[in-house]
Amino acid sequence: QSVLTQPPSVSGAPGERVTISCTGDNSNIGADYDVHWYQQLPGTAPKLLIFRNANRPSGVPDRFSGSKSGTSASLAITGLQAEDEGDYYCQSYDNRLSGLFGGGTKLTVL
Amino acid sequence: QVRLQESGPGLVKPSETLSLTCTVSSGSISGHYWSWIRQPPGKGLEWIGYIYFSGGTIYNPSFNSRVTISVDTSKNQFSLRLKSVTSADTAVYYCVKGRGYSGYEYWGQGTLVTVSS
Repeated sequence: QSVLTQPPSVSGAPGERVTISCTGDNSNIGADYDVHWYQQLPGTAPKLLIFRNANRPSGVPDRFSGSKSGTSASLAITGLQAEDEGDYYCQSYDNRLSGLFGGGTKLTVL
Repeated sequence: QVRLQESGPGLVKPSETLSLTCTVSSGSISGHYWSWIRQPPGKGLEWIGYIYFSGGTIYNPSFNSRVTISVDTSKNQFSLRLKSVTSADTAVYYCVKGRGYSGYEYWGQGTLVTVSS
């Protein structure tokens, strides 16, 4: 059971907007550690999508955005495309300097 | 940009030690943190631990002292050893640059290690 909680699945039609939540507590996200998001397409290594809560690495479309508030964070994807289908993970830290991942969310494009 | 490549046996017997090496190319291992992350088949990502180029380490407490991460700066490599493996340790193992504070931008392609007799 992951310390960071994500919904197991979300879905949306092409062109729609979806959000994925990541909920922690005061020992991790609430302790002011940054949240990062990864996209994992089938059979590939995870790809950094959002770093430090709301920043996009070079090459990531602005359809992807992140936010953080209190003990939670969210990833939003607008203009959903078929190629966005895959698994999404949030990642943060805790007070023991341990890395943490959320359990992952499977995004289905209908 | 930096490239990472995992290497090691794809099959390990129960109770034995899993050993993997990550070779870093197009960049120096010095001055940076390096991590191991794994993913059991069909499941999520699990952080194993990280090492600084000078040798300092932090491990996931859930591994109960079974894990050791080491670095060889002369070879631009870092390694993972996981003792007393069981079938629960069957996973794709990724070596990654960084310790996660700013996110993990560079990943190896991953290597599947199966624990089976």
